[in-house]
Amino acid sequence: DVKVTQSSRYLVKRTGEKVFLECVQDMDHENMFWYRQDPGLGLRLIYFSYDVKMKEKGDIPEGYSVSREKKERFSLILESASTNQTSMYLCASSFRLVGNEQFFGPGTRLTVL
Amino acid sequence: AQSVSQHNHHVILSEAASLELGCNYSYGGTVNLFWYVQYPGQHLQLLLKYFSGDPLVKGIKGFEAEFIKSKFSFNLRKPSVQWSDTAEYFCAVNVYNAGNMLTFGGGTRLMVKP
Repeated sequence: DVKVTQSSRYLVKRTGEKVFLECVQDMDHENMFWYRQDPGLGLRLIYFSYDVKMKEKGDIPEGYSVSREKKERFSLILESASTNQTSMYLCASSFRLVGNEQFFGPGTRLTVL
Repeated sequence: AQSVSQHNHHVILSEAASLELGCNYSYGGTVNLFWYVQYPGQHLQLLLKYFSGDPLVKGIKGFEAEFIKSKFSFNLRKPSVQWSDTAEYFCAVNVYNAGNMLTFGGGTRLMVKP
């Protein structure tokens, strides 16, 4: 079974703090994704990566950056957290094949005070 | 950019009722279509997917979906829901020449009353 794990289930940070969210997958997937999930808005893509050190902006990259130094690990960074970044963050991975299923982690619920 | 619409945000049904959740997308080219489900406190998981072939797709737990290209729709159905189907359901679209990115709908929260 594919397993995608995220470093924290719940996180509380203060405005202006630097926040790191980590995601690890164990199936040697080329693609990895970060989404944020908000009620009524579904999942919105923040960034994705199709290979080590490669990244592409998604629909809402502002205020975020990412890092992929190893194939299995994809980090989301909030350089200076703001209250409007309070959300559920989901990581996913997939094989590179077009249209392939994405496998999701359990999510990190981030609250920025 | 493509968009995905799920018109029902909240649905409440009694057990044994039939379910149909609407999903419409805006892109006119070749697409791959997905329904994901998120049970309370659990990971988002794949319910079913359509790539090509028979437009009526069967998934897990008795769910099915029908791709109607002329209507840009991929509605999810289940003939008889159970209390355990209480969850949030997301429709997603992958545009064929856009790599592996998915565009998700806003989700539909289904509550099934026992």
